[in-house]
Amino acid sequence: AQTVTQSQPEMSVQEAETVTLSCTYDTSENNYYLFWYKQPPSRQMILVIRQEAYKQQNATENRFSVNFQKAAKSFSLKISDSQLGDTAMYFCAFDTDKLIFGTGTRLQVFP
Amino acid sequence: SQTIHQWPATLVQPVGSPLSLECTVEGTSNPNLYWYRQAAGRGLQLLFYSVGIGQISSEVPQNLSASRPQDRQFILSSKKLLLSDSGFYLCAWRRKVYGPRALYGYTFGSGTRLTVV
Repeated sequence: AQTVTQSQPEMSVQEAETVTLSCTYDTSENNYYLFWYKQPPSRQMILVIRQEAYKQQNATENRFSVNFQKAAKSFSLKISDSQLGDTAMYFCAFDTDKLIFGTGTRLQVFP
Repeated sequence: SQTIHQWPATLVQPVGSPLSLECTVEGTSNPNLYWYRQAAGRGLQLLFYSVGIGQISSEVPQNLSASRPQDRQFILSSKKLLLSDSGFYLCAWRRKVYGPRALYGYTFGSGTRLTVV
């Protein structure tokens, strides 16, 4: 069975600084997608970034980038130039034909 | 455009009462549909998913059931609610045919906050 582990329940960062959220997963599949989702207090699920397993190049979306290490089954999210609006729960998720989530990391950005 | 509707937004139900949460998708056909539950301060747990009408896969044995009476409708039900059924329920859909890879992903409804009292 696929599992996703986020070992950091809570993180904090000062505005304009950089923070990295960790995620590891376990699977025997070779083709899959990985996602990071943001959930603000409204609880709406917002896609932050996606990575296709067959692509070696790390995905980047503006201030958000990932470090995808397929052999190590690691998929960390780096947020650069943190903003107050980045305060939220962040979920790592693994996908083949169904999305399996980690337990989440609560990120607090301080002014 | 493709949209997903989920209702109601908030629900307070007594223990032992029935439950029916509905999710519908517009602007697409033959989607994969999913029900997730999120307990307070925790991650999302996959409850059910469906790849077609009448096809339901259960991920966690429990007090809940799901049905897909129409292509774009997914219903979560219970005959008798338990206190442990309280939580935030999210419906999601995903295209079965991937199409442009840049568009691949899941779309979530706005959720239902269920409190069983």
